[in-house]
Amino acid sequence: NAGVTQTPKFQVLKTGQSMTLQCAQDMNHEYMSWYRQDPGMGLRLIHYSVGAGITDQGEVPNGYNVSRSTTEDFPLRLLSAAPSQTSVYFCASSPTSGANVLTFGAGSRLTVL
Amino acid sequence: AQSVTQLGSHVSVSEGALVLLRCNYSSSVPPYLFWYVQYPNQGLQLLLKYTSAATLVKGINGFEAEFKKSETSFHLTKPSAHMSDAAEYFCAVLGGGADGLTFGKGTHLIIQP
Repeated sequence: NAGVTQTPKFQVLKTGQSMTLQCAQDMNHEYMSWYRQDPGMGLRLIHYSVGAGITDQGEVPNGYNVSRSTTEDFPLRLLSAAPSQTSVYFCASSPTSGANVLTFGAGSRLTVL
Repeated sequence: AQSVTQLGSHVSVSEGALVLLRCNYSSSVPPYLFWYVQYPNQGLQLLLKYTSAATLVKGINGFEAEFKKSETSFHLTKPSAHMSDAAEYFCAVLGGGADGLTFGKGTHLIIQP
């Protein structure tokens, strides 16, 4: 089983460029989420989704968009990248929201110059 | 609202010594608590979780944690450290709702030979 697959693993952008981080899971999980990890900050929730067609903002949503057209996919879009968005991004999913264990992807390291 | 405080951004122990990683939480509802481990350049993996069934929770790789409501703590311990335990450890709380886990800032565990 693939679990949670994130692409790309590494990306370098220039300020103002746009890009999409892809996240796909093959476990039929209803709940999916995006976190960013910065040194000394732990993981902070960007956006989450409790099912296809439903998304909501987390702790640090500014500068990011998401959509959930299928159960399997939950892409994260940066419309105009800024150096402050340099980070490692993790996608995670679980069967439902609540006290379920999150399954994490391997991460996507983004550098914005 | 919920929050997690991990005491000590870096903890160093000798191989074979006791590992103690501290976590205190704040939650307005009975919490669900988690410990995750992150090895270098990897995503997060679940070590253990507390969901009110038992106050002493046993996890993988010999780790365990005890929920103490009176102290609002969920410290992680392992009787004898191994070199392979060197990693970043995150405590997380789920206080209710669908808005995901709130993570602590992490503790980097260093094992001295």
